[in-house]
Amino acid sequence: TQLLEQSPQFLSIQEGENLTVYCNSSSVFSSLQWYRQEPGEGPVLLVTVVTGGEVKKLKRLTFQFGDARKDSSLHITAAQPGDTGLYLCAGAPGSARQLTFGSGTQLTVLP
Amino acid sequence: KAGVTQTPRYLIKTRGQQVTLSCSPISGHRSVSWYQQTPGQGLQFLFEYFSETQRNKGNFPGRFSGRQFSNSRSEMNVSTLELGDSALYLCASSLVPEGNQPQHFGDGTRLSIL
Repeated sequence: TQLLEQSPQFLSIQEGENLTVYCNSSSVFSSLQWYRQEPGEGPVLLVTVVTGGEVKKLKRLTFQFGDARKDSSLHITAAQPGDTGLYLCAGAPGSARQLTFGSGTQLTVLP
Repeated sequence: KAGVTQTPRYLIKTRGQQVTLSCSPISGHRSVSWYQQTPGQGLQFLFEYFSETQRNKGNFPGRFSGRQFSNSRSEMNVSTLELGDSALYLCASSLVPEGNQPQHFGDGTRLSIL
C-alpha cells in the first residue's frame, strides 16, 4: 500500500478541457509538494502547500491542501498540450526524515 | 545558477557487472538524495547524504551503496547488477536534510541491464 495514493493513474484529455488530480493519504503531513516530470527530465517542483485548507494558484493550475492535511488536489483549467507530463505529489508524514512520493498521474493533453 | 548534473545520462550494462553513477548538486546545496524510478514502483527513495554522512536509507539491498565527497558531490554504486535494476536513477539536492525540503532533481541516469 502506497503512503500517498494518487488518482487517476492515467488521464488523456482534449486541449481546453478541465481536470483534477487527487493525492490522498491516511497520514497527516505538515506540507505536501507537487512536481511535474516531462519525458527525459527529472521532476520539477511546482508548489508546496503548507496550511490546511490552503489554496495556491499557478497560472491555470490550482492546488488545494485538505483541511485535515491528509490530502491534496491539483486542478488544471483549460489544459494545453504543454501540460502533458507525470504529476507527482510528495510529502514527509509526521516526523519522517525523507520525502515519500505518490505513484503519479500521467496526463496527456491532445491538441 | 547551474542545476543538478548527473552523469552519465545513459548506461548499458550486463548482469553481474557493477556501475557507478555521479551527481553534482546545486552550488551551496549540501544534501543529496538518490531515487530509483520504474514504471511499476514509481519513485523510490534509495538514500540521502549530508556532510559526507549517510543520514537515511530506503529499503534496498546492500548492493546499492553511495558516498558523498567534501564538495557535496555524490556517487552511487550498484554491484552484481540484476535485470530488475534497470531503471531511471535520479539524484536530488536540497539546502539541508529536512524531510519537507523541496528537492531539486537532475535529469537522471537511464540504466539498462541486458
